[in-house]
Amino acid sequence: GAGVSQSPSNKVTEKGKDVELRCDPISGHTALYWYRQSLGQGLEFLIYFQGNSAPDKSGLPSDRFSAERTGGSVSTLTIQRTQQEDSAVYLCASSLAYTNRPDTQYFGPGTRLTVL
Amino acid sequence: KNQVEQSPQSLIILEGKNCTLQCNYTVSPFSNLRWYKQDTGRGPVSLTIMTFSENTKSNGRYTATLDADTKQSSLHITASQLSDSASYICVVSANTGRRALTFGSGTRLQVQP
Repeated sequence: GAGVSQSPSNKVTEKGKDVELRCDPISGHTALYWYRQSLGQGLEFLIYFQGNSAPDKSGLPSDRFSAERTGGSVSTLTIQRTQQEDSAVYLCASSLAYTNRPDTQYFGPGTRLTVL
Repeated sequence: KNQVEQSPQSLIILEGKNCTLQCNYTVSPFSNLRWYKQDTGRGPVSLTIMTFSENTKSNGRYTATLDADTKQSSLHITASQLSDSASYICVVSANTGRRALTFGSGTRLQVQP
């Protein structure tokens, strides 16, 4: 079956513009994560969706960042009024959410965002 | 503050040789530790996941060890291949919620012929 897919693979935008990044998780996976990976840095958690529960938005760096997950499947990460420091690779991961053991997260290839 | 430190930052080895990557963490309360392999331009791929009660786990030529007392883990790669060239990321989960993952910055491994 298909893995996690993300689009676009690369996005170049001008400072101040809004961007939308898309994630298609593995079918049947109830958990979906967004991460950010800046050059030379470790992954930074952004937001987590689990089923119909309210998302965990504790990692979003500012109110310019938002995300939604429609129908429990596809997710969109939106960055408004982009800044140069938003330049990074944005990774999406999905998993089966077990209650009594750790879940394996399957990552997409990422979207490389460059803000000029 | 929860932290995950990996060493070395980068490593070059010859094809066929073995190598060991290190991960030290201060995450508490500890839940599990994961090693990921990330090829350039790709998303991370899970290699192993270990909980508190596990001190070693293998996945083919990859063997991870965990010492929960000293809060150290290692990833040993046996008989390296050119395709092992990648970044290896150590990730530690705290037992405070599903989102509570702390990522190391990774070790960049280059296997040369």
